[in-house]
Amino acid sequence: GEDVEQSLFLSVREGDSSVINCTYTDSSSTYLYWYKQEPGAGLQLLTYIFSNMDMKQDQRLTVLLNKKDKHLSLRIADTQTGDSAIYFCAEILNSGYSTLTFGKGTMLLVSP
Amino acid sequence: NAGVMQNPRHLVRRRGQEARLRCSPMKGHSHVYWYRQLPEEGLKFMVYLQKENIIDESGMPKERFSAEFPKEGPSILRIQQVVRGDSAAYFCASSLDRGNSPLHFGNGTRLTVT
Repeated sequence: GEDVEQSLFLSVREGDSSVINCTYTDSSSTYLYWYKQEPGAGLQLLTYIFSNMDMKQDQRLTVLLNKKDKHLSLRIADTQTGDSAIYFCAEILNSGYSTLTFGKGTMLLVSP
Repeated sequence: NAGVMQNPRHLVRRRGQEARLRCSPMKGHSHVYWYRQLPEEGLKFMVYLQKENIIDESGMPKERFSAEFPKEGPSILRIQQVVRGDSAAYFCASSLDRGNSPLHFGNGTRLTVT
């Protein structure tokens, strides 16, 4: 199958760390992406990781990739109320071009 | 340094009418993708186009839907004889090349069929 699975909802307090998890299906995926969608808006590319990497850090964001388990996670340090949004994990199928398969998204709610 | 531009932002059509959604890719991008987002769903791939060519339309319904990306002008997603089930957010994305370059998304067109 081509399903990308994510938990649907995560609630954290401001200042805590958030961890959003994702499992994907295509072991030949070359890139895995995290997008953020705020209400009524499009998708904002947050970060991506190449499949030969285990970890990528970008300011408050840390992406961990476990290829053996096909598990991807996004950690947001010092979560702020402005981080409240839906976060989508996406993989590129091995089709030779950038067609993405998305999960259903994780809604992150950050309370003060 | 404009991003991906989609218009209109909101579109209301009665059943049976036609809907035309437009997308201008980021400057320098010649690869365009259309995705559909149904309520409380993730994004589903519809079609991938390069200038004047449809590369992959495997996600597009066989009837009533068509897409084009002419040599000049924006990409158009056209839905003929719309039905209530077509109500969704339609997102366009563009990329720099055919390979694994990231997709950059527009803000979407929200189609409501009454």
